[in-house]
Order: sequence, then C-alpha cells, then structure tokens
Amino acid sequence: QVQLQESGPGLVKPSQTLSLTCTVSGGSISSGGYYWSWIRQHPGKGLEWIGYIYYSGSTYYNPSLKSRVTISVDTSKNQFSLKLSSVTAADTAVYYCAREWGYCSSTSCLGWFDPWGQGTLVTVSS
Amino acid sequence: SSELTQDPAVSVALGQTVRITCQGDSLRSYYASWYQQKPGQAPVLVIYGKNNRPSGIPDRFSGSSSGNTASLTITGAQAEDEADYYCNSRDSSVVFGGGTKLTVL
Repeated sequence: QVQLQESGPGLVKPSQTLSLTCTVSGGSISSGGYYWSWIRQHPGKGLEWIGYIYYSGSTYYNPSLKSRVTISVDTSKNQFSLKLSSVTAADTAVYYCAREWGYCSSTSCLGWFDPWGQGTLVTVSS
Repeated sequence: SSELTQDPAVSVALGQTVRITCQGDSLRSYYASWYQQKPGQAPVLVIYGKNNRPSGIPDRFSGSSSGNTASLTITGAQAEDEADYYCNSRDSSVVFGGGTKLTVL
C-alpha cells in the first residue's frame, strides 16, 4: 500500500524559505489520476490546504498562499516537495503531505485525501 | 471564497448515534469527504463520495448529503471514536471545514 513520509528541517528562521519533501513508497508518483498535496495544521487549529501537483508538473495553489508557494515533483526519486518563502511565525504548523484522487460524473464530483503522511512540525523562530 | 461550516463540538453517549454536519454551497455539486483525527496523529479518511468507506473503517460510520449539507453519522458510537472530524470539499479551491470535536460520554 502507498505510504507517504515528510522530511525537512523542523526549525526555520523568519524571512527564510521553508523546504519539505514527501517521499512516496509502495506506489509510483507517476500513476495517473492522483494529485499530490500539501496540507498544514496550525497548532490547535484546523486543516489548511496549501496546494497540489500532478505528476506531469501541473500545479494548483491555495490563493491565499499562492505568492509564496512552490510545489515541485521528482518522479525519478518518487518525491514531491514544498517551498514556502518569506516565512513568519504564522507559518508555524504541522505540515502533511497527502494523495488526492477524485472524479466527476455528469451531476457531481467527489475527491478525497488518502493516504496522509504522519506530518512534520515546522517552527518558524529566530 | 468557498467555506465549509461545522459545529465546533458535539457529544454523544456511549453506544448512541451522533450526526456531525458540514454546510457549504460547494456541497451542492461536490460530495464531502470526512476525516477523523486523534490527538498527535494525522487525519484518516473515514467517508468519501456519496457514502463510501475505505477498507478498515467500521460500518458504524456512514455519510449522507442533502442540498448544501453533508453529514457524517456514527451509529453506536464507541469510546475510540472520540476525535476531531473534518469535512472537505472543493469548488474553486480545496477547502476544509473548521472541524468538530466529538466527545463520547
């Protein structure tokens, strides 16, 4: 079964760039139909979708974060990555990677995130 | 911007039935998916689509939808169901509800 694992620094200084990588195992990131996403959760708060990438490289970002986010994919390593620039303390959160799949019928659409990585806490502090 | 609204907290007596709701305009054309999150753990998908359960999710979990409201129902709640529950949908962007903290009494 597919498993995802986040990795990267747990501490980032203000104004710097947060960089995380998600390694996919048990399946190929190039499998069509899936969107590879980043989602974060501020301490004690709800979930916030950051963006996703398709294996072809096409991306879509949360409009509220779009100016600071870059998501890329490395199919040879079966990984995808997140870069969030100009971070502040407000970017302190647990960051999750997840696989999304979905489709539309003639009348409705559905999608879901499964599986998720275990999450990694990133603290922004000097 | 699209929004999904959930009650912040719900409680249920052990063994009873509880319904957790999620409201938003996007739900008129996009089925909600539901996630269970226990403290210190990653969210886990429990319901997706009209009423689909991933492998391993007990059949006491079910989903339904009407108009702009999606519901997650737990029939015969167990102590281990105490958790935060989030709904998710999409229109112009992906959005999560604010979450519902379920307490099993």
